[in-house]
Amino acid sequence: NAGVTQTPKFRVLKTGQSMTLLCAQDMNHEYMYWYRQDPGMGLRLIHYSVGEGTTAKGEVPDGYNVSRLKKQNFLLGLESAAPSQTSVYFCASSWGYGYTFGSGTRLTVV
Amino acid sequence: AQTVTQSQPEMSVQEAETVTLSCTYDTSESDYYLFWYKQPPSRQMILVIRQEAYKQQNATENRFSVNFQKAAKSFSLKISDSQLGDAAMYFCALDGTASKLTFGTGTRLQVTL
Repeated sequence: NAGVTQTPKFRVLKTGQSMTLLCAQDMNHEYMYWYRQDPGMGLRLIHYSVGEGTTAKGEVPDGYNVSRLKKQNFLLGLESAAPSQTSVYFCASSWGYGYTFGSGTRLTVV
Repeated sequence: AQTVTQSQPEMSVQEAETVTLSCTYDTSESDYYLFWYKQPPSRQMILVIRQEAYKQQNATENRFSVNFQKAAKSFSLKISDSQLGDAAMYFCALDGTASKLTFGTGTRLQVTL
């Protein structure tokens, strides 16, 4: 049982480049989330999904897009990366009040 | 909107001693859940303990316990018999609105010999 798997684990982008982070869960959870973690700021919610085909904005959605075409996958896209998007990104899934987190993706934008 | 505040950026405790990490929160919901997560250098988010707001009894998990004061909106974590492996970032989190977790800014715990 893999839980929540994030790919890639590390990535360096140049300003203006695009990329997609993939989150996959095998627990049949309805809810999925993308957070970013910055020093001194905890984890902040970017976007989330309450089911297949649905997405909603979180606290810091600007510069990101998401898609949930399949229940088990939640994709986070950066269309034109900026240095301010340098961060550690966490995906999570939940059912009820139990949350499972991925191991994070460290993204550096230069 | 719901908020979580951790006012202690860093704490230090000697091995085998007890330490308490503070957390206050705000929510308009009457039913909600509170969590403490541990994040070691590996970056993994590890659930330490969970408290359901409708339960008056404080949650405990082995050496970890909470002091949940609903009226004061306070949710502190007590770690007893501290061990070197307890050194990590600790995050307080609240789930009260539409099943979304809101995190505090974290407390870095150092454990010394």
